[in-house]
Amino acid sequence: GESVGLHLPTLSVQEGDNSIINCAYSNSASDYFIWYKQESGKGPQFIIDIRSNMDKRQGQRVTVLLNKTVKHLSLQIAATQPGDSAVYFCAENEEGFKTIFGAGTRLFVKA
Amino acid sequence: ETGVTQTPRHLVMGMTNKKSLKCEQHLGHNAMYWYKQSAKKPLELMFVYSLEERVENNSVPSRFSPECPNSSHLFLHLHTLQPEDSALYLCASSQEAGRTGELFFGEGSRLTVL
Repeated sequence: GESVGLHLPTLSVQEGDNSIINCAYSNSASDYFIWYKQESGKGPQFIIDIRSNMDKRQGQRVTVLLNKTVKHLSLQIAATQPGDSAVYFCAENEEGFKTIFGAGTRLFVKA
Repeated sequence: ETGVTQTPRHLVMGMTNKKSLKCEQHLGHNAMYWYKQSAKKPLELMFVYSLEERVENNSVPSRFSPECPNSSHLFLHLHTLQPEDSALYLCASSQEAGRTGELFFGEGSRLTVL
């Protein structure tokens, strides 16, 4: 079936470095993608989204890149901080109400 | 303050118990969702409600019974659960069920079935 998955389960970066979290998706019909951050003991929180008519979108310290040719999504975090330590999920939205989540990548930030 | 409140935060129950999880959203949204989050698994969509009407039921066992009395409240009634049902149950809301947009999650109810 259609699925969204992540390349790596964990990522460890030094404080101040840039982080790149990758995601592969398989549903070529998906037209909306979202990154969520989940801190320990909390629910997922929206970080940034992108529609399929774009290939890049920037927020505050975060950038999402979409490569529809290879069905790849990435989240770049600039100047990673200890507060960025969390699990990051990519998700795709199928025609409205059905949001499908990937397995998640745990980001560790070393001080 | 996320705008979506879930109670209880933690629940331990036996396999013969009946309990309910409650979710309330203060965002004026029209759609509400139940997701299940197990260890090392992606979030699994369980139920979707749009304007108090169920629009999606993702092959969830009947021991889970949702109820949406109004667009601000969502319940998940639990009955004769199994130990493998132990998980974090997340409630979410969005502006409209049939349109793309971000989900707003509560902090979850951690369920342990003994």
